[in-house]
This record gives sequence, C-alpha cells and structure tokens, in this order.
Amino acid sequence: EVQLVESGGHLVQPGGSLRLSCAGSGFTFSRHDMNWVRQAPGKGLEWVANVKYDGSEKHYADSVKGRFAISRDNAKDSLYLQMNSLRVEDTAIYFCASDQNWDIGPWGQGTLVTVSS
Amino acid sequence: DVGMTQSPLSLPVTLGQPASISCRSSQSLVYSDGNTFLHWLQQRPGQSPRRLIYRVSNRDSGVPERFSGSGSGTDFTLKISRVEAEDVGVYYCLDGSHWQFGQGTRLEIK
Repeated sequence: EVQLVESGGHLVQPGGSLRLSCAGSGFTFSRHDMNWVRQAPGKGLEWVANVKYDGSEKHYADSVKGRFAISRDNAKDSLYLQMNSLRVEDTAIYFCASDQNWDIGPWGQGTLVTVSS
Repeated sequence: DVGMTQSPLSLPVTLGQPASISCRSSQSLVYSDGNTFLHWLQQRPGQSPRRLIYRVSNRDSGVPERFSGSGSGTDFTLKISRVEAEDVGVYYCLDGSHWQFGQGTRLEIK
C-alpha cells in the first residue's frame, strides 16, 4: 500500500522551532519530488515547500521563505520540514504529498502544528 | 503567479443528481512537453486530501466511475454523474506545475 505518514507536530510558542517528518512506503520514494502543504483551521490548502527527487532543488512559498527548510533522506524514504521563527499564523495541519503529476499521488494524514503562547 | 478560480464555492446537491465544478486558470496550463498538469482533489470532512483525477481526466485507482474530469487550456470541469452521500466534502483543483490550489468547492447534500 502506498503510504505517507507525518509526525512531529505539537504546540510550540511563537518564535520557537519544530521539525516535521514524513515517512514514505509502498512506492519508490527516491523517484518522486515531494511537497509540504498546510491547511489553517477552516481554510483551504496552501503549498509550503518542494524538494526535487534527488534533493538538488528546493522551493518555498514566500510566507515561509527564510524560516522553513525542506530536506529529504532517500536512504530512509523520509521527508523533513525544519520550521524556525514560528508565528501564530503558521498554525495549521501540515501534509506531505508527492508530486501529483504522474500515476500515483499520495497524501499523508497530516500533523497538527499549533503556535500559541 | 498562476491564479486558480473555482465556481461555485458552495454546491448543494440532491442525492442521485449530477454535480459540476468549474476551475479556471489565469494562464494556460499546457506544459512545454504537451502535458496539462491539472488535478482534482477531494477532502472529506475530517480527512486529508486525496487525489481523484490527474492530468485533467485520468481517474485514480479506486475512484468511482461517476467522477470524471474534462477541459483544456484554462478551463476545466469536474463532474459527478450521480451524487452519493459519501461525496460530501470539499473539492480542490490543483495546478501541479506551480502548486496553486483553487479556493475549494464545498459539496453538501440538499
């Protein structure tokens, strides 16, 4: 079964840091570009960051540029999101998702990040 | 940036009746290789998104045949031939080249 499982979300104070993880299984993780997408409470979907299949390129939404860093470890079939200088407006469910353009396009179940004092 | 506009944003439908959602992009989504990376996602209440349709009209594995996608260039449509109770949720179009989402269309049973 093709699967993505996120972890690492929890309550953090403004200005704090958090590292999210996403473990892939059931597909050749190393062949797929990977993304983080977030959803604030009651809102729509917002793309956050992307990393190419081999880690050679990374792209970020303007709202997180300079604060978040995406990375991957293909030997562990894992994707990461290092989040620094967190703001209240970063509160959201964070999903990992593979490149949607080809035959498979899995999404994880999400992990909740709450930024609050 | 490519803008994605969905309509309607709210869609009340009677069980067994058809439903249609429109997605319009601010520029052509035809990629340099001839592919069109326009996809449709479904998010049921309390669940994560799942892809229903990829590259305009290809149904994902396990997606019922009542779901179909069509369109080209800048105008795309998701159709449900006969709405069932399990179809309640929010539907998003996605430009897979630029990772731009539509605002979402909330489908509910009338």
